[in-house]
Amino acid sequence: AQSVAQPEDQVNVAEGNPLTVKCTYSVSGNPYLFWYVQYPNRGLQFLLKYITGDNLVKGSYGFEAEFNKSQTSFHLKKPSALVSDSALYFCAVRDGRNGANNLFFGTGTRLTVIP
Amino acid sequence: GAGVSQTPSNKVTEKGKYVELRCDPISGHTALYWYRQSLGQGPEFLIYFQGTGAADDSGLPNDRFFAVRPEGSVSTLKIQRTERGDSAVYLCASSFPAGGTDTQYFGPGTRLTVL
Repeated sequence: AQSVAQPEDQVNVAEGNPLTVKCTYSVSGNPYLFWYVQYPNRGLQFLLKYITGDNLVKGSYGFEAEFNKSQTSFHLKKPSALVSDSALYFCAVRDGRNGANNLFFGTGTRLTVIP
Repeated sequence: GAGVSQTPSNKVTEKGKYVELRCDPISGHTALYWYRQSLGQGPEFLIYFQGTGAADDSGLPNDRFFAVRPEGSVSTLKIQRTERGDSAVYLCASSFPAGGTDTQYFGPGTRLTVL
């Protein structure tokens, strides 16, 4: 079975401060991990993904994420938050063992960057 | 380069009616996915097409839901005898498949409201 947990419904951070949005996962095989962002009344926008290789993945808009196999985590980070980063963030996983096609999503974390 | 488009953006219907939701994927993407996102939740997988055929329909909740993709491009999600519990945002995504490592690109969604 595959699952994703985003333990924080809401994260608040001051503009200019570093931000972290947490994600842990569970899969039987090798995980393929994704982060998406959702702005109001818009679809999901792809930020970054981890497939294999370097544990630190860099993505769009200055975001990065670190894959930690021992802790089964894939936390999203940004060194300096912008007010425009305020949105809903989703972590998702695919099980690489059997070439599963669909993504399993977490319940989302609402990020608010305070000016 | 156009992204994934979905029509209509909003659909209001009455309980028991039939609805069709349309998805136009990114040109050249052979894989197409439908997801459903209920309020406060992450997207949940419904069905996956590879070309014209439904390769995985394990996420369809019951036989009132059906989807087609007759020419391997545009897809239509069909819901019969709608119920109030069907109210949600229906998201479509497309990709060029790569054994599970591919990125799915999402459309803006159709918000379905069943009165």
